[in-house]
Parts: sequence; structure tokens; C-alpha cells
Amino acid sequence: DAGVIQSPRHEVTEMGQEVTLRCKPISGHNSLFWYRQTMMRGLELLIYFNNNVPIDDSGMPEDRFSAKMPNASFSTLKIQPSEPRDSAVYFCASSSAGGPQETQYFGPGTRLLVL
Amino acid sequence: AQSVTQLDSQVPVFEEAPVELRCNYSSSVSVYLFWYVQYPNQGLQLLLKYLSGSTLVESINGFEAEFNKSQTSFHLRKPSVHISDTAEYFCAVSENTGGFKTIFGAGTRLFVKA
Repeated sequence: DAGVIQSPRHEVTEMGQEVTLRCKPISGHNSLFWYRQTMMRGLELLIYFNNNVPIDDSGMPEDRFSAKMPNASFSTLKIQPSEPRDSAVYFCASSSAGGPQETQYFGPGTRLLVL
Repeated sequence: AQSVTQLDSQVPVFEEAPVELRCNYSSSVSVYLFWYVQYPNQGLQLLLKYLSGSTLVESINGFEAEFNKSQTSFHLRKPSVHISDTAEYFCAVSENTGGFKTIFGAGTRLFVKA
């Protein structure tokens, strides 16, 4: 299996621009998670989906952030408009639908720099 | 709600020395506990996890962790570290309530020196 795939791996953009991060979970996994990692705040859960439905988006920082999962094999995290404080590494992870005991499999991350 | 505290942000240690990375959690219900490792410029990957049964769990590369319910701890240990163990280690907890949310600690950076 290819594992969790994220694109792009690196993104540099200017403040105010729209940024779209993409994730393909492991085939057969029904839960998908978006995290943000920064030196100051560590690893933060932004949102997670189960069977393509958003279950908890309480970690989404503000309305500038949105996430979708139109099907079982694809999810996007969008930031519009982007700000310098959004600079971070964004990880996507997936797990099977068995529940909280399941291992999460992380993608390699997207390193975002907003100038 | 559950929470996780990793007591050390950085742990420097010499090669072949033993190491312990400390983790305490807080929860009002039964929990599942995890240790993940993150190598530079990579995503996190599972090192080991405790679900039930024996309180001592082991990984394939010599790490072990012991679940201590009375002290609400899940410390990670290795009797002899290698340079290749240099990485960041995250303790994580999820509650056995049917949800999917896992809370990660702030991470401990293990630096193994020659």
C-alpha cells in the first residue's frame, strides 16, 4: 500500500492567497484526520471525518479554514485567505473505522509558508 | 476530557545509555495509550500501543512502555539507545467511549549523542 498521500509537499504563498491542501487516505480506511504542527503549539487536531462526514471540527481555527471529504479517497483542507500565522506543517492521517483503539497512519505532511 | 502531559521537552543521552521518556494522562474513563515517533521531515508513525491486557507493551526496535493506572502514566523506556533513535516522540491517549478523537502530547525530542 502507498500509505497516506499528501500534496503538495511544500507550498509557499503570499498573504491573502487561497491555499488548498490535498490528502488521499489509505484504501479501506474510514476515518480521516487533519492536524497542524507548529513549534509553538505542537500537534493540533483540526478536524476529523468518519465515513466522509465531519464529526468534530472544533479545532478549526476560524472561518478562513474549511475541509471537505467528497468521497472515501480524497479530502481537502482550504485556507482562504491565508495569513503568515498559518505557516505550519499540515498532516493528514487515516485509520480504519474500528474506533479509538485504532492506529492512525500519517502522511508525510505539507509544509506551508505564508509570506 | 482527556489530556496528555509529556514532562520533558528534550532528552539528550549518550549512545548505548538507557532512556526514559515520561508521559502522564488525565481521563475519567478507560483509555487507550499510544507512543508515536516522528523522524525529521516525516509524519508520525506508531511505535507501540496499549489497549488492554498486559500492562507492559513492546515495540520491534527495543522500546517498551508500561501502563500504570494508579499513577496514570505510560512512560517509554529503552535500555540502550542508538544514534538512529534520535527523533521526536509523542504520547497520545484516546478514550474508550466510542469516539475517534486522539489527544497528542507536546512531544519529547530525544537526541542521542555519540
